[in-house]
Amino acid sequence: AQKITQTQPGMFVQEKEAVTLDCTYDTSDQSYGLFWYKQPSSGEMIFLIYQGSYDEQNATEGRYSLNFQKARKSANLVISASQLGDSAMYFCAMRGLSAGGTSYGKLTFGQGTILTVHP
Amino acid sequence: DAGVIQSPRHEVTEMGQEVTLRCKPISGHDYLFWYRQTMMRGLELLIYFNNNVPIDDSGMPEDRFSAKMPNASFSTLKIQPSEPRDSAVYFCASSLEGARNEQFFGPGTRLTVL
Repeated sequence: AQKITQTQPGMFVQEKEAVTLDCTYDTSDQSYGLFWYKQPSSGEMIFLIYQGSYDEQNATEGRYSLNFQKARKSANLVISASQLGDSAMYFCAMRGLSAGGTSYGKLTFGQGTILTVHP
Repeated sequence: DAGVIQSPRHEVTEMGQEVTLRCKPISGHDYLFWYRQTMMRGLELLIYFNNNVPIDDSGMPEDRFSAKMPNASFSTLKIQPSEPRDSAVYFCASSLEGARNEQFFGPGTRLTVL
């Protein structure tokens, strides 16, 4: 079974500053994927960034980077130079093997962190 | 590709009525997922399909909920009879097989049961 924990219900950051959103996970799988999604107030779920368990480099996508520490089972999202439009709910998720161990099925989501960017 | 398509986008119904939510996944995707999102319970996985076959329906809250995927390009989530506590945003998502592949979400259906 997989589990995702996001311990920060809410975070605040000043515009143009960097912010880190925490995510820890638990799995016994050797191969898995870690994902971050953004959900603005309009409601859509937007994929941001992916990190594979065997990837040696931390993933980066524009202002988003993933601080992946495999031994600690953490996959924190770093947003640099925050913008007002970054205010949203952020979900960390993991995709591991299904219960039968033969395929990668569902994503397991954390509870989310609400990020508010102040001008 | 148009992405995952859901209909209707908004549904208002009265308690006891049948509600059917529809989803068209991205062409070629192997997996289809139904989620429910509320303020109280967050994002919950209800059921998911692989190659049109239901794999895990342990998240379906009760027998009033049912889901089908008659073919690779269409799925329905039905609630009969509906209750006010079913009010939520229902998302459909699809993906390819593999740890690397993200789920693509539809825009969601906002259901209000009066």
